Amino acid sequence: EVVLTQSPGTLSLSPGETATLSCRASQSVTSSYLAWYHQRPGQAPSLLIYGASSRATGIPDRFSGSGSGTDFTLTISRLEPEDFGVYYCQLYGASPYSFGQGTKLEIK
Amino acid sequence: QVHLVESGGGVVQPGGSLRLSCAASGFSFSGFGMHWVRQAPGKGLEWVAFIRYDGSKKYYGDSVKGRFIISRDNSENTLYLQMNSLRAEDTAVYYCAKERLTGSAFDYWGQGTLVTVSS
Repeated sequence: EVVLTQSPGTLSLSPGETATLSCRASQSVTSSYLAWYHQRPGQAPSLLIYGASSRATGIPDRFSGSGSGTDFTLTISRLEPEDFGVYYCQLYGASPYSFGQGTKLEIK
Repeated sequence: QVHLVESGGGVVQPGGSLRLSCAASGFSFSGFGMHWVRQAPGKGLEWVAFIRYDGSKKYYGDSVKGRFIISRDNSENTLYLQMNSLRAEDTAVYYCAKERLTGSAFDYWGQGTLVTVSS
């Protein structure tokens, strides 16, 4: 089973700055099956990125995904207040549909 | 407008059973795979179970295998999760989620229903 490890655990940034979140897989994975989600406190997660780099419907181009093999990155430019919360990466397409442990993006 | 609404959560004693439902609307339910994902209080997301659009394939996470059963009624646009032999560690908010395409990421999620296992 592939384990996803996200870093850092917590990221403290100010609005307007750029956030760089990492997701590392324990073995090489097909980038077509890597997704990123955002969860605000008390809310359900929402899909940001699928296929490692494709933005979901309605997601602004401030969000970009990249990577291949074992290392994947979510970059959020020009941070806005609504961007804060927890971000999860996920492998899908086959069982188990593992999630990383999450990166908390907090306001500095 | 896609809507997923979970129900059936509550407080149950260890060893007990509970059935969750997820009512779907706004899309062709019978054409999409569906998942259950849970989140323990203050913790991250844990994938629980998957069912293929036609119910022909089902997969489970190791922590629930043999205790939980996922099913669906395409005539009623409803997803289910039968939870048996419940343990304290099953306490969580349970979300249903829809696949964007077959074998794809989860593009819509319900608001979740809380299950508390406690004596």
